[in-house]
Amino acid sequence: DTAVSQTPKYLVTQMGNDKSIKCEQNLGHDTMYWYKQDSKKFLKIMFSYNNKELIINETVPNRFSPKSPDKAHLNLHINSLELGDSAVYFCASSQRGSSYNEQFFGPGTRLTVL
Amino acid sequence: DAKTTQPNSMESNEEEPVHLPCNHSTISGTDYIHWYRQLPSQGPEYVIHGLTSNVNNRMASLAIAEDRKSSTLILHRATLRDAAVYYCILRDVYGSARQLTFGSGTQLTVLP
Repeated sequence: DTAVSQTPKYLVTQMGNDKSIKCEQNLGHDTMYWYKQDSKKFLKIMFSYNNKELIINETVPNRFSPKSPDKAHLNLHINSLELGDSAVYFCASSQRGSSYNEQFFGPGTRLTVL
Repeated sequence: DAKTTQPNSMESNEEEPVHLPCNHSTISGTDYIHWYRQLPSQGPEYVIHGLTSNVNNRMASLAIAEDRKSSTLILHRATLRDAAVYYCILRDVYGSARQLTFGSGTQLTVLP
């Protein structure tokens, strides 16, 4: 069973389009995250979210928004896509209250904006 | 979260031990030391973590200096599958944010 899954695995789209990436975790965790890995392989946090608190990295443009229909899902919506949005996006989850907060990552979604 | 410094790359021969160093001179008393690794074309995965004492698990060992300003991830017997980028990350256990702050990591190459 896949602990953290993302769809789609690859996403190719035109500049200006709106797209979504879905993330689901079956670990019963209460906190989920989105990370972006750029072409230089740097991994940066975009959002962390549980049912009480959304923490947004201040560098993330407001074209990006997380949407959580329930505790097991955190989808990433991106409006007006730009060339610089091309990257690999990783979803992750963890259980708050764990002293070490081990995070489980999904396989990633490679987004290419043309 | 405090900053960590790691070598950009390291090489090891298959079936030999590997010692991956990490410096964290500004570590605070409530910072846990975490190690994650990212295999090619995959998401990061947890390896090990510790606070003060050395730690062992099925994947690796973590040796923490007495002053906690540095630590070493030890892979006892490197395999080709261990080729990955290894990240050393500090997390304040009382910090309000739960995310991980990744640095540039160490690219480990395992030679057959």
